[in-house]
Amino acid sequence: GAVVSQHPSWVICKSGTSVKIECRSLDFQATTMFWYRQFPKQSLMLMATSNEGSKATYEQGVEKDKFLINHASLTLSTLTVTSAHPEDSSFYICSARDLGLATTYEQYFGPGTRLTVT
Amino acid sequence: AQKVTQAQTEISVVEKEDVTLDCVYETRDTTYYLFWYKQPPSGELVFLIRRNSFDEQNEISGRYSWNFQKSTSSFNFTITASQVVDSAVYFCALSEGGADGLTFGKGTHLIIQP
Repeated sequence: GAVVSQHPSWVICKSGTSVKIECRSLDFQATTMFWYRQFPKQSLMLMATSNEGSKATYEQGVEKDKFLINHASLTLSTLTVTSAHPEDSSFYICSARDLGLATTYEQYFGPGTRLTVT
Repeated sequence: AQKVTQAQTEISVVEKEDVTLDCVYETRDTTYYLFWYKQPPSGELVFLIRRNSFDEQNEISGRYSWNFQKSTSSFNFTITASQVVDSAVYFCALSEGGADGLTFGKGTHLIIQP
């Protein structure tokens, strides 16, 4: 149990286009999902916290108009990188908190999406 | 603000040696969670352990062990009798309160040579 999927696993897009990344909790419900970004050979940095039915909370320095987050259901959050540029090329990873395990704050990570902007 | 420091950027040992990965954290919260993750070349994070701030008991899981010391704000990870398959990047992470996203350290690249 406790599986989080991401789609696509990798994507190449042209500069100026938008790309959507999906994060799904497959066997549990998640009111809260988190989006992280990891540049090559660097650490994971929290970008935003996605809450079902409400606006996402972005970390300082993350452009909310560029990285659109939608958490429309208890099992799906999407991250849309708008007008992507080569510097947005990165590994994007989501995690989901199990609603049923709220007191233990258990988080499960997806496998990540590798975005390359040409 | 919270911070996680992994001072060792890269460690290289020969197979079967023991190796310890250091993690030092900073937080003002009295309730927090500490984590260790393994990230192989595929990129997918592998959960290793979670420890809350009220549980200072050390833990052993097979060849892995963790030493949590609040007095020094450290949560070190030891691999005994290392194997080539242990080669990966290891991240230590912190969550204040438990409900927030994680703050990761910069990671330690562990290389186990045959």
